[in-house]
Amino acid sequence: AQTVTQSQPEMSVQEAETVTLSCTYDTSESNYYLFWYKQPPSRQMILVIRQEAYKQQNATENRFSVNFQKAAKSFSLKISDSQLGDTAMYFCAFITRDDKIIFGKGTRLHILP
Amino acid sequence: NAGVTQTPKFQVLKTGQSMTLQCAQDMNHEYMSWYRQDPGMGLRLIHYSVGAGITDQGEVPNGYNVSRSTTEDFPLRLLSAAPSQTSVYFCASSYLLGYGYTFGSGTRLTVV
Repeated sequence: AQTVTQSQPEMSVQEAETVTLSCTYDTSESNYYLFWYKQPPSRQMILVIRQEAYKQQNATENRFSVNFQKAAKSFSLKISDSQLGDTAMYFCAFITRDDKIIFGKGTRLHILP
Repeated sequence: NAGVTQTPKFQVLKTGQSMTLQCAQDMNHEYMSWYRQDPGMGLRLIHYSVGAGITDQGEVPNGYNVSRSTTEDFPLRLLSAAPSQTSVYFCASSYLLGYGYTFGSGTRLTVV
């Protein structure tokens, strides 16, 4: 079965610090896409960053970047200079071979003032 | 553009009642999905569709039906509501899955 595992249910960091959220996945595919979604208290799901598995270069979006290790099937999210507005649930996700996007169980991130 | 519109935003049902959660998108997206979100469980896929007339089951399809008669609409039907179906439901759509999903704002359903 294709699965996504987020091993950190909850994390807290001080404002302006850097934090890394972990994600591992299991797939036999060689080409796929990976995502990180943010869900703030408003409940809205927001796409933060995406990575194409065939690209070696790690994706970056402003303060958000990923460390994609294909052989290890690892896809961690780094948030630099964290802000109070980054407080949210973060979900890792990827596309399966049969056109489904499956999600991990999430990491609840608290940014402390 | 409205994006993905879900209605209603909140609903309380009695056990055994049926209802339909509506989902509509105006972006001409082929891919649409329904997820439910429960504490500690993340988002679990209920049903999905890769185009009009095509639907398939996800991880937790029991107790739910879907149809996709048009590209724009993808309603989710609860046949006989049970307390275990108390959850937040999200509809999502995508033009190309590689770009990820656009989500609706969710429906909070309580079954008493």
